[in-house]
Amino acid sequence: AQSVTQPDARVTVSEGASLQLRCKYSYSATPYLFWYVQYPRQGLQMLLKYYSGDPVVQGVNGFEAEFSKSDSSFHLRKASVHWSDSAVYFCAVSATSGGNYKPTFGKGTSLVVHP
Amino acid sequence: EAAVTQSPRNKVAVTGGKVTLSCNQTNNHNNMYWYRQDTGHGLRLIHYSYGAGSTEKGDIPDGYKASRPSQENFSLILELATPSQTSVYFCASGTRKNTGQLYFGEGSKLTVL
Repeated sequence: AQSVTQPDARVTVSEGASLQLRCKYSYSATPYLFWYVQYPRQGLQMLLKYYSGDPVVQGVNGFEAEFSKSDSSFHLRKASVHWSDSAVYFCAVSATSGGNYKPTFGKGTSLVVHP
Repeated sequence: EAAVTQSPRNKVAVTGGKVTLSCNQTNNHNNMYWYRQDTGHGLRLIHYSYGAGSTEKGDIPDGYKASRPSQENFSLILELATPSQTSVYFCASGTRKNTGQLYFGEGSKLTVL
């Protein structure tokens, strides 16, 4: 079975600072990995995804994530955060089951950016 | 862009009552999912479907039923609602071969008194 751990329930940073949100996954092989963002009173939107190739993947709004097979991690980064980045961020893992996918989400990290 | 619409957006129900949450997608996606979101638990999968007429149990199916009468529609049914089912419910859709990328609705907030 697959699982995802986001160790930080809440992260607070100042506007302009760099950011790293941590994610570790558990799966026997390399699954598809995602980061989603949820703004207040909205559904989730995908930021980026990874399956193979360059371990650093670029997403929207300056976000990137780095896959590490040895560490079973997929951490999200941004060089300089903006107050509008305040949201809840979810890491997700998805593996195939008979050709279909059943994504599993972490508990989420609430990001608060102080202006 | 993908469009997933949930109704109702807000619902107050009484304990023991029946609640139906509806989801409609216009993406022609094969797969649809129901998650609930609770503080401290993140998103947990309740039921999912790989096509019309099929439903599968997710990680926390107890107390819930699902129905997929067509490609576009996927309902979550609480036959006997309980206060522990107070939550925000999200519907999502995805293609069979799209690696698990999901498109979410805006959520349905259910309060069971």
